Amino acid sequence: DAKTTQPTSMDCAEGRAANLPCNHSTISGNEYVYWYRQIHSQGPQYIIHGLKNNETNEMASLIITEDRKSSTLILPHATLRDTAVYYCIVRQINAGGTSYGKLTFGQGTILTVHP
Amino acid sequence: DVKVTQSSRYLVKRTGEKVFLECVQDMDHENMFWYRQDPGLGLRLIYFSYDVKMKEKGDIPEGYSVSREKKERFSLILESASTNQTSMYLCASSGTGGSYEQYFGPGTRLTVT
Repeated sequence: DAKTTQPTSMDCAEGRAANLPCNHSTISGNEYVYWYRQIHSQGPQYIIHGLKNNETNEMASLIITEDRKSSTLILPHATLRDTAVYYCIVRQINAGGTSYGKLTFGQGTILTVHP
Repeated sequence: DVKVTQSSRYLVKRTGEKVFLECVQDMDHENMFWYRQDPGLGLRLIYFSYDVKMKEKGDIPEGYSVSREKKERFSLILESASTNQTSMYLCASSGTGGSYEQYFGPGTRLTVT
């Protein structure tokens, strides 16, 4: 699976949009971009994923550049409860064999939302 | 909603003890995973299972074994606990269709003294 690079930490004011970048310059054609977050003392939580088109769900939007080498997770109106570590993960969905379920977590971005 | 439960939130064991960590999911998922999480090292995959009685080693299987006798239950076993196995242990499950997103349990914080 391709490696990802994220900033170590970011700050955001409550009510403003939080834009979390991720670089994945070695991504291959059959690899998806996934985002998870982990609130303190809890297990990671799935947010969103995408292949090449922008995606939106009730939690966030995912913008993937046309060359797919980077992406941005957008939390449109950040709240204090969005303070967490956000992980960008690239992986194949249908790699064959039994490895398709594996996730490789990096260090993630610590997002702190301020009042 | 998918629910993944883990048998204990906190556990304290002595060096050399045999430790069982249990994980149960209620979504009929085929895949189940055990990770450990340590400061500065992130989440690391210990073992995963893609079917009953099937298992594969993850990135750090040494010192651990697993058991999956029923689809909904995946156990992590520390045959002889050591202090370097003090960690947060996270269980996850996922289906085999769609996007394969993983659903995590709340974690078990294990301390080995």
